[in-house]
Amino acid sequence: AQKITQTQPGMFVQEKEAVTLDCTYDTSDPSYGLFWYKQPSSGEMIFLIYQGSYDQQNATEGRYSLNFQKARKSANLVISASQLGDSAMYFCAMREGIYGNNRLAFGKGNQVVVIP
Amino acid sequence: NAGVTQTPKFQVLKTGQSMTLQCAQDMNHNSMYWYRQDPGMGLRLIYYSASEGTTDKGEVPNGYNVSRLNKREFSLRLESAAPSQTSVYFCASSDRGGQPQHFGDGTRLSIL
Repeated sequence: AQKITQTQPGMFVQEKEAVTLDCTYDTSDPSYGLFWYKQPSSGEMIFLIYQGSYDQQNATEGRYSLNFQKARKSANLVISASQLGDSAMYFCAMREGIYGNNRLAFGKGNQVVVIP
Repeated sequence: NAGVTQTPKFQVLKTGQSMTLQCAQDMNHNSMYWYRQDPGMGLRLIYYSASEGTTDKGEVPNGYNVSRLNKREFSLRLESAAPSQTSVYFCASSDRGGQPQHFGDGTRLSIL
């Protein structure tokens, strides 16, 4: 069974608008972590934001925030005030267990294109 | 400020040839990983090494071998390359305990 689901088709967003990228996950482990990575067309993987399953507050990092709904098993990424440089693929990933080997399961990604 | 360094960046092989992808990190991380990325897919874990001296299979290990040479280096070997192994390969490293993985720039491998 797929652990991470990202099903949105490619998204076009106007510059300076906000965009929300959906991610749902499946785990029976009470301890887990959720990560978002950005992959621009140049190909590198860039870490954006992390949310632990026991974190009381939603994670934020600059223009990135995570809308974490534990009961729904969703961890949506919100990018505020989109910039042209935000055009990229965005991957959601999950680590199960706290003190484990830090293995990640990735979703298939969301494509975002920011238009001026 | 190198982080995770992968070599080579590009490689073309013929079916049946062998090669080793190299990965080195300078962040003193305990854990290292090899992933492959195919079109329309996320990254899939091939092998990982939780600490120096240990290696374990990931989701798609068939056709690959790995060596954790020391704390810094983790290599991936294709003994007899097949066209199905055409992919982009990423190496990553992290501390244990939930820290984010840091990725190399990837190796684009084509097998004819």
